[in-house]
Amino acid sequence: TQLLEQSPQFLSIQEGENLTVYCNSSSVFSSLQWYRQEPGEGPVLLVTVVTGGEVKKLKRLTFQFGDARKDSSLHITAAQPGDTGLYLCADNTGTASKLTFGTGTRLQVTL
Amino acid sequence: KAGVTQTPRYLIKTRGQQVTLSCSPISGHRSVSWYQQTPGQGLQFLFEYFSETQRNKGNFPGRFSGRQFSNSRSEMNVSTLELGDSALYLCASTNPANTEAFFGQGTRLTVV
Repeated sequence: TQLLEQSPQFLSIQEGENLTVYCNSSSVFSSLQWYRQEPGEGPVLLVTVVTGGEVKKLKRLTFQFGDARKDSSLHITAAQPGDTGLYLCADNTGTASKLTFGTGTRLQVTL
Repeated sequence: KAGVTQTPRYLIKTRGQQVTLSCSPISGHRSVSWYQQTPGQGLQFLFEYFSETQRNKGNFPGRFSGRQFSNSRSEMNVSTLELGDSALYLCASTNPANTEAFFGQGTRLTVV
């Protein structure tokens, strides 16, 4: 069974700070997705990475996939209160209809 | 385009009872998956239905079951409820290319 560990578990920072969260897998990812879940809502897809070493940018968010495809990082520049939420990495195991999720990083950004 | 709709949003049930949750996928999406989210175990895959057939199943006891109708709407049933079944139950429909899952807001189930 694949285990996806995310770190840190919790992160509380002030607006304008930078942060990085990590996702590590016990086995190679089929392809990796990052989701954000806001309170009272379901997760929303942020990005999909497939190729080892791949880097994708989404405004202030930078996603990096490890060369060996067993780890990934999400870096947020100049965090804003709207970035608050639970960040989840997931392996889509070859199909987005059956996702294996990581343990999650809960981010709180305050003014 | 309407998103994934789950009903009800909140439920309180007593141990031993059963419960049925409903999920309407995005129009055109034929795959519906169900997940359980708890503080201790995180987000875990329950099962997936496609064209009225269960296509994938997670590691949950037989008390958890589901079905899908010809219009792709899906229901999930939990029988003989236990306190540990208290959780947020999320439904997701997947696009035809099978590249992205779209989640509903979830049903918060509390078992007392």
